[in-house]
Amino acid sequence: QAGLTQPPSVSKGLRQTATLTCTGDNNNVGDQGAAWLQQHQGHPPKLLSYRNNKRPSGVSERLSASRSRNTASLTITGLQPEDEGDYYCAAWDSSLNVWMFGGGTKLTVL
Amino acid sequence: DVQLVESGGGLVQPGGSLRLSCVASGFSISSYYMTWVRQAPGKGLEWVANIKQDGRWIFYADSVKGRFTISRDNAKNSLFLQMNSLRAEDTAVYYCAREANGDNDYWGQGTLVTVSS
Repeated sequence: QAGLTQPPSVSKGLRQTATLTCTGDNNNVGDQGAAWLQQHQGHPPKLLSYRNNKRPSGVSERLSASRSRNTASLTITGLQPEDEGDYYCAAWDSSLNVWMFGGGTKLTVL
Repeated sequence: DVQLVESGGGLVQPGGSLRLSCVASGFSISSYYMTWVRQAPGKGLEWVANIKQDGRWIFYADSVKGRFTISRDNAKNSLFLQMNSLRAEDTAVYYCAREANGDNDYWGQGTLVTVSS
């Protein structure tokens, strides 16, 4: 079961904007979109965005998610030190009936 | 508050078995799909299995199919993962998660499973 494709790392400066991407195919990202999760070292993942691009309660308005065809994106504006961490996308594959995760992107705020 | 607490992890020899449990509080699991996800040391997230509210629809990752069994007891607000024929590559932190509107919105703290001789 092939996963979703994310760049391994992204580095941006404080208060800058970072855009993380996640590429799948018509059966997963292109079908129902991708959710986004953040994970800090030693902690469980935290949901940042539902597959419909809406934010759960309590998630910063600096985060916004979108999708274009088979690629989902998470944009974080005004980067802060606490935004550092690992970011994963997740999508249900309706052809394989499996959840797929991206390999994760390590975001560094310089 | 929604909480998920996993237990049952530990050290097991290759070929051995373990049963993980996840007890939920703050909501009734009977209204939700539930999921197990694992994370090997230093690696990314890997979906393991999920189960529909009534237990009738169950899906597994190919990597665990035929060896792992997901189940639930709605009356006890609990989710389980029976793991048999364990391999070194099953070593990971195992998380249970709630699926709301198709997304895993709450996660437990995880339980570590180590498969080693």
